[in-house]
Formats: sequence, C-alpha cells, structure tokens
Amino acid sequence: DTAVSQTPKYLVTQMGNDKSIKCEQNLGHDTMYWYKQDSKKFLKIMFSYNNKELIINETVPNRFSPKSPDKAHLNLHINSLELGDSAVYFCASSHGFGELFFGEGSRLTVL
Amino acid sequence: QKEVEQNSGPLSVPEGAIASLNCTYSDRVSQSFFWYRQYSGKSPELIMSIYSNGDKEDGRFTAQLNKASQYVSLLIRDSQPSDSATYLCAALNTGGFKTIFGAGTRLFVKA
Repeated sequence: DTAVSQTPKYLVTQMGNDKSIKCEQNLGHDTMYWYKQDSKKFLKIMFSYNNKELIINETVPNRFSPKSPDKAHLNLHINSLELGDSAVYFCASSHGFGELFFGEGSRLTVL
Repeated sequence: QKEVEQNSGPLSVPEGAIASLNCTYSDRVSQSFFWYRQYSGKSPELIMSIYSNGDKEDGRFTAQLNKASQYVSLLIRDSQPSDSATYLCAALNTGGFKTIFGAGTRLFVKA
C-alpha cells in the first residue's frame, strides 16, 4: 500500500507539448511538495502546499502550474515543455514541515 | 556559501568499516537537520533527523550535530555493500517551512 504515489512514472514527449503528473498520499499529511532532481542529482524544491494553500513557489517558470484539489493530492501541469525540463520530478509529503516522504518519482524526458 | 554543503565524493570504504559522511550549513537554515539515503534510480528515504546538539543513534547509524561549528555528520558502523547509495543532508530553512538539500555524497562500500 504505497504511501506517496505518483503517476506516470515515465513520460517521454516532444518539445512544446503539455504534460501532467499526479500525486496522491495516504499518510494523512497536511503538506505536499514537488521537487525536481536534475541530471547532477541535485534535489531542488519547486512548490509546497499546506492544507491546500500554496506556501512555496520557488523561481519556477510559470509554465509549471501546481494544483492541490485536497490535502491528499497535488498535481503538476507543465506547458510548452522545453529540453531543460527533462528531470525526475518527486512528489513528497510531510506532517507540518518536517520529515519528508517521497513518491517514486516521475522521469520526464523531453526530446 | 550554500545553505547546506556536502562533499560529493565518492567516498569508498571497505565492508565492516565506519563510513563518515559530513555536511556543513550556513546561518540561513534552522536547527532541524535530516539525513536521507537515495539508491540509484530510487527516491530519497529518510534515515534520521536530529534537532539537538550531540549524538543520536539508531541501529548502525549515528547522527551528530555540532551547532558551534555548524556541521552535521552521519556515521554508519559496520558498513555493508547494501549501504552503497547517495546520502543527502538536508535542513529546514530559517522560516521552518522549506527543506533544503545538499548535493549528496556518494558512498561505495566494497565487499
């Protein structure tokens, strides 16, 4: 019974396309995040929602739009994909802002 | 100075030895620190958190926090080949709502 689940696990798409990644957690946490891990394996926060309220919006292009329909779900939509968007995107959740529980990641490849 | 800094390694130790992983931090983080382990192709997994000066032990793992010197370390006793992974040091920012990761240290345990 996966605690934080993301779909899809792999996305391969052409530049200019739009794609979405979905995340769900069944841990009862109130905070959810999107992190991006680039080819150098550096893990950088993108967005954070606490009780469906956007808390963190790092310097991410506005082509990226998160949406949290409820505390258990956080989705990420990306418009007009660029080569530099290729990365692994991790969803995570936490109780408050402490220890993070990560999903399995969604590997996005933009051709 | 970055908020959280780690030596990227790789750090190579023989099986059964103690692996020592180190991390320094700046004044832009709070006093909540975490160690995550990430196997290749997998998501980060929380190993330990530490909030107070001194040592915290959990099985073969010991986290150490030295606030005066602004460093956090993770010791792995009786290292096993299965400990080979990237270890990520992380800290909450001074606002306490964002987890900032170091670049990670790759550990190899040789059988």
